[in-house]
Parts: sequence; structure tokens; C-alpha cells
Amino acid sequence: GAVVSQHPSRVICKSGTSVKIECRSLDFQATTMFWYRQFPKKSLMLMATSNEGSKATYEQGVEKDKFLINHASLTLSTLTVTSAHPEDSSFYICSARPGTGDNSPLHFGNGTRLTVT
Amino acid sequence: QKEVEQDPGPLSVPEGAIVSLNCTYSNSAFQYFMWYRQYSRKGPELLMYTYSSGNKEDGRFTAQVDKSSKYISLFIRDSQPSDSATYLCAMSGHSGAGSYQLTFGKGTKLSVIP
Repeated sequence: GAVVSQHPSRVICKSGTSVKIECRSLDFQATTMFWYRQFPKKSLMLMATSNEGSKATYEQGVEKDKFLINHASLTLSTLTVTSAHPEDSSFYICSARPGTGDNSPLHFGNGTRLTVT
Repeated sequence: QKEVEQDPGPLSVPEGAIVSLNCTYSNSAFQYFMWYRQYSRKGPELLMYTYSSGNKEDGRFTAQVDKSSKYISLFIRDSQPSDSATYLCAMSGHSGAGSYQLTFGKGTKLSVIP
């Protein structure tokens, strides 16, 4: 159980275009999902917390107008990278927790490798 | 001082060896401790989840938490080439605002040589 599915796994786009990444909880409902970014040889960096039916909460330094998050249902959150630039190239990973407690462990999707040319 | 310190390695061991992976932390509010395994170009996979101090065993994996020393460990017995991955420690605090956020170590890259 506790499967988080992320799509696409890899995407290459041209500079200036937008890219949408989907994150789905397959066997549980998630009122909250988390979006992370990971640079090579670096740890996971929390970008934002996606809340079902309300606005996302962004971490300091993350541009909310550039990284649009929509959490339209209890099983789906999307991250749209708008007007992508080469420096947005990275590994983006979503996560969610099936438990009701704030400290139940997170389960992660398999990530999306974004390359902006 | 960073909240969570983890030796990035790389760590290379022969097949069958016992592997010890460690993290230290500075925030005494951390109560929940996790170990994730991440294969190359994949998302992290939860391996172990423990609360407060003590040991937890699951197959070849044993997680230890020593809150007095602010030190956690993951032991892998009879290591296999398939264990080759990056291992991330993560932790979070007790209930309260922001408690759900995990703080990650940088990860230790492990290679098990056949």
C-alpha cells in the first residue's frame, strides 16, 4: 500500500515553455502533498506543501508564480513549471503520507527529471 | 551547525559485509526517525520508521536511535549488490506547527561489490 505515482518520469522542454508534473496517491487519500527538488549529490529540498482545496504553502525562496501548484482532489496534485529556464533543470519529487498523524512517514513518487534546453 | 549531518561517502563494501550508516542531529525536538533508500534516478523508498529511542529490526535491516547522543544508525546485515543505493536519514518533531516537515540528511552513497 501507500503508492505515490508521478508522471512523467522524464521531460525535456525548450526554454520559455511550461511543463506540468502530476502526482497521484493511488491507494489512499492525501489532503496534503509535498513537492521536493533534488540537485545532484544534494539532499531533498522542500519547495512547497500542496493543500487540497486551498492555496499551496511555499518555502522561502521558492517563486510561487514560477512553480504553480494545484491540488484539485484528494488524490491528485500538479506542479507546473512556468516559463522554464535551464536553471530549472532538476529532479522534482512529490510525496504524501497515508496516515492521519503529522509525523507518519512520507511516501515518495519516482520523481521527474526535467531538462530545459 | 546543520540540523542533520550525514557522511555522504561514498561507502564501498564487499558482498556479505555488515554496513553501518549514521546520522547525527542537533534539534532535540526530533522524535520520529526514518531511513529511506534511493536508487539512481528514482524517488526515495521508505525502509524504516521509528519513534523515540530504541531499536527496530526488519529482515536484514536494523535501525537504532539514541536520543541522548542525538545519533541514529541503520545496519544492513549480509549486504547484497542490490543494496547499492543512496541512503537518506530523515526526522521530524512532535506534533505542532511545522512538525510534519521532514529534515533530511544529504544521503550516503553505498556500493556493495560482488
